[in-house]
Amino acid sequence: RKEVEQDPGPFNVPEGATVAFNCTYSNSASQSFFWYRQDCRKEPKLLMSVYSSGNEDGRFTAQLNRASQYISLLIRDSKLSDSATYLCVVIRRRGSTLGRLYFGRGTQLTVWP
Amino acid sequence: DTEVTQTPKHLVMGMTNKKSLKCEQHMGHRAMYWYKQKAKKPPELMFVYSYEKLSINESVPSRFSPECPNSSLLNLHLHALQPEDSALYLCASSHVRTSGRETQYFGPGTRLLVL
Repeated sequence: RKEVEQDPGPFNVPEGATVAFNCTYSNSASQSFFWYRQDCRKEPKLLMSVYSSGNEDGRFTAQLNRASQYISLLIRDSKLSDSATYLCVVIRRRGSTLGRLYFGRGTQLTVWP
Repeated sequence: DTEVTQTPKHLVMGMTNKKSLKCEQHMGHRAMYWYKQKAKKPPELMFVYSYEKLSINESVPSRFSPECPNSSLLNLHLHALQPEDSALYLCASSHVRTSGRETQYFGPGTRLLVL
């Protein structure tokens, strides 16, 4: 079973739509959770960290459910510039070593005018 | 400032060439990483350096040789690569907070083409 499972999409939505992405992780010892955004032929860029209490940054809301091992990202009022691949990322430490990132396969979003 | 820089941006090399990729960060991060990313796939971890010592090698072929000259620099030496090694090579560095939370920041990558 993959460490992080994520629906690859693609999601094609009109401007102004609300879109939700989900991912699940398999190891309950995972410690840190993030959403990264990756534009075509560019590097992944940190979009936001994800906490159990939920966190919001403008039009973006992220939520972590540790009991269900489930992470979500909600984008409200989609803009054309939101078109990208969204990567669900989990960090887990093995022993006392540094954490290792585990990536979902990414969800592709296209926002059309 | 969360900047990780990488050079060159693009690299074309033959299978007999020797080249090096460079990565630099001045955020005081003590962990640095090399990833390889193929089209439409997530990044795959290659190497991790912690406090300038190699901490993780994900069974990477010896034609890839990492080097960490100091806490700000990370190199990846390439020799006798194969066409299937063509990919985007990403460097990252991370900061571990006292809470234990860790965040990684990626450089812009080097797009490598092996002919």
